Amino acid sequence: GQQLNQSPQSMFIQEGEDVSMNCTSSSIFNTWLWYKQDPGEGPVLLIALYKAGELTSNGRLTAQFGITRKDSFLNISASIPSDVGIYFCAGPSNAGNMLTFGGGTRLMVKP
Amino acid sequence: DTGVSQNPRHKITKRGQNVTFRCDPISEHNRLYWYRQTLGQGPEFLTYFQNEAQLEKSRLLSDRFSAERPKGSFSTLEIQRTEQGDSAMYLCASSWAGAETQYFGPGTRLLVL
Repeated sequence: GQQLNQSPQSMFIQEGEDVSMNCTSSSIFNTWLWYKQDPGEGPVLLIALYKAGELTSNGRLTAQFGITRKDSFLNISASIPSDVGIYFCAGPSNAGNMLTFGGGTRLMVKP
Repeated sequence: DTGVSQNPRHKITKRGQNVTFRCDPISEHNRLYWYRQTLGQGPEFLTYFQNEAQLEKSRLLSDRFSAERPKGSFSTLEIQRTEQGDSAMYLCASSWAGAETQYFGPGTRLLVL
């Protein structure tokens, strides 16, 4: 089945620093989704990407859909303490009826 | 708030007991999904409904698990004869049919003692 690998698994950064994380797949995805999950809560959709090469921003977050359609990147600029959480990439199955998630990148921000 | 809601948020039960969780999707969404998430992992798909029809079930959904969406609105997930391995966060999501973006509820955290 489809698998998504996220790296790094965790990051511990200083407030104000920029962050970059990525997600790779063994197979092609036609859509990439990025979610953030706070402890004890459900994932919250951050950015959706629909086209290879697409670059989309949401405030301080920017995500890119890789041109091979097998990877995606998420960047966070000028990190703040509330950016702490786990960031997941996800892609829909070919039938579009289920999401496959990566293992997540845990972000910790030191004030 | 018109987002996805789930109840209860937490459930502690003893092994062998039955538990039932409820999910209320975003009202205009006709698709509803259940996922399970264990500690340190991403969510894993269990099953989904389009309106009241259950259209797909994962191999993770053993015969002790049953999900319903009788009127095409809210859904319930029941686990019979719970086992310690059932301890996890159970997440519900909803979407429009054909849309690839899914919106998640806050989850129900289950602990089986």
